[in-house]
Amino acid sequence: SQTIHQWPATLVQPVGSPLSLECTVEGTSNPNLYWYRQAAGRGLQLLFYSVGIGQISSEVPQNLSASRPQDRQFILSSKKLLLSDSGFYLCAWRGGQGVSPLHFGNGTRLTVT
Amino acid sequence: DAKTTQPPSMDCAEGRAANLPCNHSTISGNEYVYWYRQIHSQGPQYIIHGLKNNETNEMASLIITEDRKSSTLILPHATLRDTAVYYCIARTLGTASKLTFGTGTRLQVTL
Repeated sequence: SQTIHQWPATLVQPVGSPLSLECTVEGTSNPNLYWYRQAAGRGLQLLFYSVGIGQISSEVPQNLSASRPQDRQFILSSKKLLLSDSGFYLCAWRGGQGVSPLHFGNGTRLTVT
Repeated sequence: DAKTTQPPSMDCAEGRAANLPCNHSTISGNEYVYWYRQIHSQGPQYIIHGLKNNETNEMASLIITEDRKSSTLILPHATLRDTAVYYCIARTLGTASKLTFGTGTRLQVTL
């Protein structure tokens, strides 16, 4: 069966520090991968999505970047965190282009201080 | 993907059916309707999806109007564990869809 791993679960980082959040998927190949952010009390905001290795689409210009170095690995990064980067970050995957639904990880709660 | 509109909050008594509406008046013919829910501090969980026929699974039923401009998610016997934010989204089949989520409906199930 397919599983998605996202870590760390919580993270507290100072302003100006770098960020690296990793997400991996097991049990499937060539998934579509997504990074979402959820601010407190708000809906999910799509940040990046990827349909293949090295293929990244950015939805919101901001202080973050994403990379997909391997088929089932999706990384969210920042060189210098801002206070506004605080939030709940969710990785998700979906198989192929059919009707398959999104499957989400358990998220990373990032607090920038 | 078509925009969806949902009420911000709803209440439901435990044991009763919870009927969550979603408006997607600009939906196109090849867009599916998906429902997810998010329990506090967890990742969203897939519930059900459909195109134009009503669908039912072990979690819920999905009723889509004939003109496909709206749908209703039905939890037949709501429990306290169904308290969550419910998201309705529309997605085009066969594309690298953006899968945009709105703010959803916060369902509170009470005793």
